Amino acid sequence: VQLVESGGGVVQPGRSLRLSCAASGFTFSSYIMSWVRQAPGKGLEWVSSITGSGGKTYYADSVKGRFSISRDNSKNMLFLQMNSLRAEDTALYYCAKDKVGDTGANAFDMWGQGTMVTVSS
Amino acid sequence: DIQMAQSPSTLSASVGDRVTITCRASQRISSWLAWYQQKPGKAPKLLIYKASTLESGVPSRFSGSGSGTEFTLVISSLQPDDSATYYCQQYSSYWTFGQGTKVEIK
Repeated sequence: VQLVESGGGVVQPGRSLRLSCAASGFTFSSYIMSWVRQAPGKGLEWVSSITGSGGKTYYADSVKGRFSISRDNSKNMLFLQMNSLRAEDTALYYCAKDKVGDTGANAFDMWGQGTMVTVSS
Repeated sequence: DIQMAQSPSTLSASVGDRVTITCRASQRISSWLAWYQQKPGKAPKLLIYKASTLESGVPSRFSGSGSGTEFTLVISSLQPDDSATYYCQQYSSYWTFGQGTKVEIK
């Protein structure tokens, strides 16, 4: 089981960035997938989650209306489209796999190594 | 939104000590609580889910208990490898993490 994030970088405030997470080793479409971020020196913050089919999405209030989560089950890929980026969005972004499947919120049993997003002018 | 409060924020203990970390939820979450361990520069690792179920491969010196709003993570005999930051997470309503507890070895 492996999760590999990509797409991070340095971006100016107000601009957009799209993160990707490549999954392998499990039946990707059967699991809720999530994004969790960690600002430098700070704790973990849940950002967004999506059901296995992609039919339902969930967002933290801090990103609602600016971020959009999606997935391509044919390619085992998870995405996070981040628009109107702010300095406070600067963080290491992890993708994470639901432990149980697609039956509701659960713990995260697999995490990628993260991709760093820096929002700065 | 459900808020999670951990205590203490940091603790320092000796090898072999029993260590207890507390997590409180702002509303009842039944047993929908997980604990994670994070070492510097690494991704979090799931230790315990459903408040008290040990994840496969996690040493038995880790244990969790509680339900409703009060939860506890116990390390029965602290080992040097346990130096890390520990987070609780509720998944009763969406997902929320506690602020973390840094465990240092004296």
